[in-house]
Amino acid sequence: SQQGEEDPQALSIQEGENATMNCSYKTSINNLQWYRQNSGRGLVHLILIRSNEREKHSGRLRVTLDTSKKSSSLLITASRAADTASYFCATSNTDKLIFGTGTRLQVFP
Amino acid sequence: GAVVSQHPSWVICKSGTSVKIECRSLDFQATTMFWYRQFPKQSLMLMATSNEGSKATYEQGVEKDKFLINHASLTLSTLTVTSAHPEDSSFYICSARDIRGGTLEKLFFGSGTQLSVL
Repeated sequence: SQQGEEDPQALSIQEGENATMNCSYKTSINNLQWYRQNSGRGLVHLILIRSNEREKHSGRLRVTLDTSKKSSSLLITASRAADTASYFCATSNTDKLIFGTGTRLQVFP
Repeated sequence: GAVVSQHPSWVICKSGTSVKIECRSLDFQATTMFWYRQFPKQSLMLMATSNEGSKATYEQGVEKDKFLINHASLTLSTLTVTSAHPEDSSFYICSARDIRGGTLEKLFFGSGTQLSVL
């Protein structure tokens, strides 16, 4: 399967703490994207990092990419209760976007 | 930003009936639309890639006779679940690629359809 794997599967933290999620994938990629999904809803695109980039920031989000290890991490700093959601990495190398297994984040107020 | 409208957002049907789900790109043209399926607390699994004016490409293990995909225009793709059974109950999500985008960087998602087959 091309599907990437994420860890942890679930993460519970207190508001104000940082949350780190990791994604590993199997094939070469053009880019890697991170999405957020609230329960029973569609996906919201968070950030995209290209294969020739190593780190990217967007607000409270920081994404790293290590193509030699075929892995990426998403860091959410100063988390808020509203960050509670599932987070998925997604990779593309040809004409498909393949999603990772996801991390369910719970942020307690 | 670009909007993809998916309809209906939820549907309940009897076993053996067919259900059609629509995916429309509202303010852009989409050469390619993707259909995903998601079981509770699991990831999105790509079912098929739908290209305007041609037959859809199905992923391994997805029955093309059961999940009929039509992409008749640059703004509309439909997924029909034929002779639905309880095991087809799932969350179905479409996404559309902007015709102006050469890669999958311009991919927009619908809000999903929750299908429950009784």
